[in-house]
Amino acid sequence: QQQVKQSPQSLIVQKGGISIINCAYENTAFDYFPWYQQFPGKGPALLIAIRPDVSEKKEGRFTISFNKSAKQFSLHIMDSQPGDSATYFCAARGDDKIIFGKGTRLHILP
Amino acid sequence: DGGITQSPKYLFRKEGQNVTLSCEQNLNHDAMYWYRQDPGQGLRLIYYSQIVNDFQKGDIAEGYSVSREKKESFPLTVTSAQKNPTAFYLCASSIAGQVRGGSYNSPLHFGNGTRLTVT
Repeated sequence: QQQVKQSPQSLIVQKGGISIINCAYENTAFDYFPWYQQFPGKGPALLIAIRPDVSEKKEGRFTISFNKSAKQFSLHIMDSQPGDSATYFCAARGDDKIIFGKGTRLHILP
Repeated sequence: DGGITQSPKYLFRKEGQNVTLSCEQNLNHDAMYWYRQDPGQGLRLIYYSQIVNDFQKGDIAEGYSVSREKKESFPLTVTSAQKNPTAFYLCASSIAGQVRGGSYNSPLHFGNGTRLTVT
């Protein structure tokens, strides 16, 4: 019940395409859903986050879609660029704890 | 510039030796955390501290120890009791100490990690 399941493990997208990473959770008490971006040899950095009272949040080319009834949320990267190549982690907070997904390695082909 | 500094970036140790990883922050954050990252495993919480002179075990605390004598500093010691110490260690902080792991208004800020190799 404390897991956050992230898919796919790895993703290859052509430059200019849409990258989609999905996460699912079980605990309905989760109240905060951040996405982190990590470049090789660096620490993760907060990319975008959403609360469960909204269905979508957009920041530039990055959008979180949130489906509360399905207990799923996803990250969409529009017009994907080679500089977006990184590992992305979804996370969820509940019961005073942050749970991270296992990460998705995204590679954007030039 | 405010941020979190982890040192060293790479660390090599022989099996059986204790090793201490440094984490310093100048963000004036109350809460600090240590995570361990292994390939394909996501981030797992080792220890966290919500306030100076207080800290709690996370999900994988066995074989690790910490101290929080100053607000800015949260060093992690990997002891010889840790069975698989080779990993990428990440230190993080957040503004508010009362919410473990950050929140919408108090997200986690990470350092750039220390890669520890034990042979």
